[in-house]
Amino acid sequence: GQQVMQIPQYQHVQEGEDFTTYCNSSTTLSNIQWYKQRPGGHPVFLIQLVKSGEVKKQKRLTFQFGEAKKNSSLHITATQTTDVGTYFCAGPNAMKTSYDKVIFGPGTSLSVIP
Amino acid sequence: EADIYQTPRYLVIGTGKKITLECSQTMGHDKMYWYQQDPGMELHLIHYSYGVNSTEKGDLSSESTVSRIRTEHFPLTLESARPSHTSQYLCASSEITSFREQYFGPGTRLTVT
Repeated sequence: GQQVMQIPQYQHVQEGEDFTTYCNSSTTLSNIQWYKQRPGGHPVFLIQLVKSGEVKKQKRLTFQFGEAKKNSSLHITATQTTDVGTYFCAGPNAMKTSYDKVIFGPGTSLSVIP
Repeated sequence: EADIYQTPRYLVIGTGKKITLECSQTMGHDKMYWYQQDPGMELHLIHYSYGVNSTEKGDLSSESTVSRIRTEHFPLTLESARPSHTSQYLCASSEITSFREQYFGPGTRLTVT
């Protein structure tokens, strides 16, 4: 079945270092979403990418959608302690009967050492 | 900030009890979802709904049931709680258009003793 994977599973960085998480799908995605979940909190929507090769920026966060629309990345420049949390990517289920269902990746947990 | 609410936030209950987790949203969203998430782990879809009187089971088998009698309300019920049901339950909603952003509630942390 369709799989959405993320690497790495965990990442510990020193404050100020950069961080990147990668999302890979076994099938082509029409679009992809990214969410952030703070420890003890709930997922919060960050962004949606639709076009092949699309790049979007939100302050220190850069999101990219691969040319083949099977992978995506989130890059954080100069991490801060406020970036701590788990970052999930999510894509639509490729099965026609389940198109409106979303498949979440397993997430990348980011720790920032002050 | 999203207007989606879940009660209770925390619940500790004994085995065999019947429980209902409440979820309400004031955004008029047609789609609503229930996810189960163990601490630090991935989200598992257990139920979803496209609108009133529409409910479907998700990818993760669950002994819980849901109902959707009103657009804004999507409660989840466990007829007989067991320790294996201990987890966090997250409710979410989105617009009817395909693959729109999901707004999550704060979650209910359930512990079954």
